[in-house]
Amino acid sequence: GENVEQHPSTLSVQEGDSAVIKCTYSDSASNYFPWYKQELGKGPQLIIDIRSNVGEKKDQRIAVTLNKTAKHFSLHITETQPEDSAVYFCAATSTYSSASKIIFGSGTRLSIRP
Amino acid sequence: KAGVTQTPRYLIKTRGQQVTLSCSPISGHRSVSWYQQTPGQGLQFLFEYFSETQRNKGNFPGRFSGRQFSNSRSEMNVSTLELGDSALYLCASSLDGGNNQPQHFGDGTRLSIL
Repeated sequence: GENVEQHPSTLSVQEGDSAVIKCTYSDSASNYFPWYKQELGKGPQLIIDIRSNVGEKKDQRIAVTLNKTAKHFSLHITETQPEDSAVYFCAATSTYSSASKIIFGSGTRLSIRP
Repeated sequence: KAGVTQTPRYLIKTRGQQVTLSCSPISGHRSVSWYQQTPGQGLQFLFEYFSETQRNKGNFPGRFSGRQFSNSRSEMNVSTLELGDSALYLCASSLDGGNNQPQHFGDGTRLSIL
């Protein structure tokens, strides 16, 4: 069946450095790719998303890139700060008829070292 | 605008009991989806409701059921609880669930089965 693979499962970076999380999807019909940040005791919060007709999108220190041919998409966080520590999930969404199907990656626990 | 509200935040039940969880979507959102989150399995899709109808369903046994009311509020029911049902249950809402709309999550109900 369709799946989304996410790497790495854990990532530790020095404050101020960049962090990159990568995802690969299998369903070629996927056309919407949101990224979520989940802090302890909270639900996932949407931080950025990209649609299949766009190759890159940036919002301040966060950027997402999409390679449809390779079925890869990545999250880039620059100038990391302690508040960036959280679990990050990628997801791939496909639309069939009137319903959407969303599959999440397994998550990346990002730790920012002071 | 208020976010997605889930009640209760915590629940403790014993095996064999049943439980009902509640979700109030963002005002104006008509699609409500439910997810189960566990450390081992990640975020797994349970079902989606739109206009009081189940539109999409994941691979969970029939013990897991749900419904949606005319005001778009949704409830999820789990009968004959098992130890393995211990998890964080998340609800997410979107405008109509289609055409690549972002989902907005609540903070979940943490269910513990003793």
